[in-house]
Amino acid sequence: DTGVSQNPRHKITKRGQNVTFRCDPISEHNRLYWYRQTLGQGPEFLTYFQNEAQLEKSRLLSDRFSAERPKGSFSTLEIQRTEQGDSAMYLCASSFPYGYTFGSGTRLTVV
Amino acid sequence: TQLLEQSPQFLSIQEGENLTVYCNSSSVFSSLQWYRQEPGEGPVLLVTVVTGGEVKKLKRLTFQFGDARKDSSLHITAAQPGDTGLYLCAGAQPKLSFGAGTTVTVRA
Repeated sequence: DTGVSQNPRHKITKRGQNVTFRCDPISEHNRLYWYRQTLGQGPEFLTYFQNEAQLEKSRLLSDRFSAERPKGSFSTLEIQRTEQGDSAMYLCASSFPYGYTFGSGTRLTVV
Repeated sequence: TQLLEQSPQFLSIQEGENLTVYCNSSSVFSSLQWYRQEPGEGPVLLVTVVTGGEVKKLKRLTFQFGDARKDSSLHITAAQPGDTGLYLCAGAQPKLSFGAGTTVTVRA
């Protein structure tokens, strides 16, 4: 297992477009987390799954954001109608139940 | 708003000097973790502390967890340029709540 994998590494999109990111966690980890990090800040929690169940969502996760983990393995995070304020690094992490491992993140730039 | 407060925000020291980074909260955490993050990469776990009063050593890094499990410190002895990075503390509830981080620069 090569750790947590995130794709793409970088995404540049025009304002108003939809984007989708993918996270492949460590295979035996049952918990998967999404975080967002802007420059000069620590990561902020967005949502987490235990297996395929989405157990918690932050208030940061507006209606334009949706996350899924359909089979309890990989997860996707979709942002609809992107805004410039969505520009950030989106990080995925997995754990079982502690010992979090982060992916390298997807850097989103909305122009 | 960050649940955990880290200080200082920035730290620049000469190679060979010692440094300490602090992490404070009004909340009690079941465990607290320290991460190091390099630009363009995700955070990498350094250590997890669980027991109040616990001290863990990782080569030149010493981590302390406060007796009340609300605060922690990271001390680096004889810092090296390779220690440069963003140091983050995070409390587990079980989701992680991060501090804003301390940017450490070690000059050769």
